[in-house]
Amino acid sequence: GEDVEQSLFLSVREGDSSVINCTYTDSSSTYLYWYKQEPGAGLQLLTYIFSNMDMKQDQRLTVLLNKKDKHLSLRIADTQTGDSAIYFCAEIISGSARQLTFGSGTQLTVLP
Amino acid sequence: ETGVTQSPTHLIKTRGQQVTLRCSSQSGHNTVSWYQQALGQGPQFIFQYYREEENGRGNFPPRFSGLQFPNYSSELNVNALELDDSALYLCATKIGGGNTGELFFGEGSRLTVL
Repeated sequence: GEDVEQSLFLSVREGDSSVINCTYTDSSSTYLYWYKQEPGAGLQLLTYIFSNMDMKQDQRLTVLLNKKDKHLSLRIADTQTGDSAIYFCAEIISGSARQLTFGSGTQLTVLP
Repeated sequence: ETGVTQSPTHLIKTRGQQVTLRCSSQSGHNTVSWYQQALGQGPQFIFQYYREEENGRGNFPPRFSGLQFPNYSSELNVNALELDDSALYLCATKIGGGNTGELFFGEGSRLTVL
C-alpha cells in the first residue's frame, strides 16, 4: 500500500520487547489495525485503535498512535519465538469504500 | 479458526485462462471483501460486496469480477489471466456494511499463472 509504510525487517531476542512502526499519509483515517500473518496462513487481527485514541493496551500488545505525525506503533512485550511472523498495519479511511489499505509488512524474526 | 473457508488452496493456470475462486463464511456475515496479495507485498483491495451487491472497488480492471450469494458464500472470477495475476487471493468477511466490525480472513487461494 503506497499510503502506508513500514520497515521491512525487525530482529529481536526472545524475551525482549519488539516495536514495529508504521506511518500513514491520510489524516482522515478512522481506524488503524495491526494484523499478523504466519507462513502459508491468512491474516489474523491482533488489535486496532480508533483515531481519537492515542494508546491501547491488550495483554502483551501496546498500540501507540501519534495522529499529528501520522505514526502508529505496535509494541510486543516479552517477545516469543511464536511471535515470528509478518506484521501489517492497515487503515480505513473515512468516506472510503470501507476497504483496508495495508502496508507492505514487517518481517519479525525472534532469535532464541 | 475464523470460520472463513477458501477453495482451492492452490492452483496453477496458464496465461489467458479464466479462474474462479470460492469463499464461504459464517452465517450472518453479509459483507465480503477480496484482496490480492502479491509476493512480498501487503494485500490490495479488489472489491467488496454487501447483501449481494458490489459496494466498493479498488484499482483492478473489469476482468476481475465477483458474486455474493444468499448463503454467505462468494466467488472471485478473473478472466484473461496475466502473469502478474499470480498472487495469494484473500477473502474477508464481516457482519454489517459499515466501517466497524472485525474482518475475518480466510487462509487464501494461491494462484500461479504460467
